Amino acid sequence: KNEVEQSPQNLTAQEGEFITINCSYSVGISALHWLQQHPGGGIVSLFMLSSGKKKHGRLIATINIQEKHSSLHITASHPRDSAVYICAVPLSLSGGGADGLTFGKGTHLIIQP
Amino acid sequence: GAVVSQHPSWVICKSGTSVKIECRSLDFQATTMFWYRQFPKQSLMLMATSNEGSKATYEQGVEKDKFLINHASLTLSTLTVTSAHPEDSSFYICSARDAGQGPYEQYFGPGTRLTVT
Repeated sequence: KNEVEQSPQNLTAQEGEFITINCSYSVGISALHWLQQHPGGGIVSLFMLSSGKKKHGRLIATINIQEKHSSLHITASHPRDSAVYICAVPLSLSGGGADGLTFGKGTHLIIQP
Repeated sequence: GAVVSQHPSWVICKSGTSVKIECRSLDFQATTMFWYRQFPKQSLMLMATSNEGSKATYEQGVEKDKFLINHASLTLSTLTVTSAHPEDSSFYICSARDAGQGPYEQYFGPGTRLTVT
């Protein structure tokens, strides 16, 4: 079973700062997900990546398959970025990566104006 | 595209009653749907995998007779919490895999908050 560790657990920053959230996992994977969860609970899928780097607006996600590590970056952070950011990977390799997901505990991000 | 809806968004029920939660893929066909739950201040946890036309696969520790899953069509899966108890109070989220996309994409519903009194 895959284990997922995220850091930091909590992060408070000032508007405009560059934000980095890290994710490590224990078993080799085919794809990793970054998700955003707002206080109401709804989940938004930010990225799904299996190699290299993806960029969407001010969000950048990178993954190093060999090191089993991924990072989520937010440039020019804004108060509306305040949310919980969650890293998720397939639960096991038995389904070829097409399994349900196992999740990190999340990073609680607060961006202060 | 790739929108998943859930209904209801929140529900309060009395202990001992049953509650049905629907998960629909609105603009794609979902051969596989996943049901997750999240207790307060905890991570999301996979409960079961639902495949269209076949029995659901439950994760260890999830009672299949208590959490009934039906995936009768390519756009609808339902989760019924039978004889609900206060400890079943949780946030239930489904996700769906688009049959026309790669195997790794999952699209999440907005979730259903269940409170059992």
